[in-house]
Amino acid sequence: QKEVEQNSGPLSVPEGAIASLNCTYSDRGSQSFFWYRQYSGKSPELIMFIYSNGDKEDGRFTAQLNKASQYVSLLIRDSQPSDSATYLCAGGNTGFQKLVFGTGTRLLVSP
Amino acid sequence: SAVISQKPSRDICQRGTSLTIQCQVDSQVTMMFWYRQQPGQSLTLIATANQGSEATYESGFVIDKFPISRPNLTFSTLTVSNMSPEDSSIYLCSVEAPLKDGYTFGSGTRLTVV
Repeated sequence: QKEVEQNSGPLSVPEGAIASLNCTYSDRGSQSFFWYRQYSGKSPELIMFIYSNGDKEDGRFTAQLNKASQYVSLLIRDSQPSDSATYLCAGGNTGFQKLVFGTGTRLLVSP
Repeated sequence: SAVISQKPSRDICQRGTSLTIQCQVDSQVTMMFWYRQQPGQSLTLIATANQGSEATYESGFVIDKFPISRPNLTFSTLTVSNMSPEDSSIYLCSVEAPLKDGYTFGSGTRLTVV
């Protein structure tokens, strides 16, 4: 059973702080990882993807991948109330990239 | 990223009936994916739809319950058949982005079965 696990939260951080969202996966064959943001009642929106070990930065977001530890994280710097949402981690194999999603972490950023 | 138009956005249906959900993509894509998101849950892949061949269903999902059509490279439908209240979910279609830099979702269909 391929699994992607996330803490359901909620993770509460004050405005301006760094939010750290974590994800572990069980399938060592997973090659690519995606972070999605989902506002209540909306469809998931892709934030970042990462294929290689290490860090990948895009604006206020940094994705981190450690394949040896089977661990993926998303850091959100200067968190804003508008970042309050559920963040979904997903992993995929090579080939046609069927994604396996975690259950998501709910982030609450307080003004 | 590809733009996906999904409809209907929501529907309330009687048990025992069927609903067909449509997804139209603004570019040609090889594969389209159908997901279900039950209340408070994450996304579960129902099936993968290739143009010109039968859809590939995930464990726990069968063609009789969720028939899929894929008549061309920009369009697909998912039918939820003989619905029961347990089918109440959000159904989403997804495609790989043109630059293979992620997967884009349609806006979703919120289905309530009464």
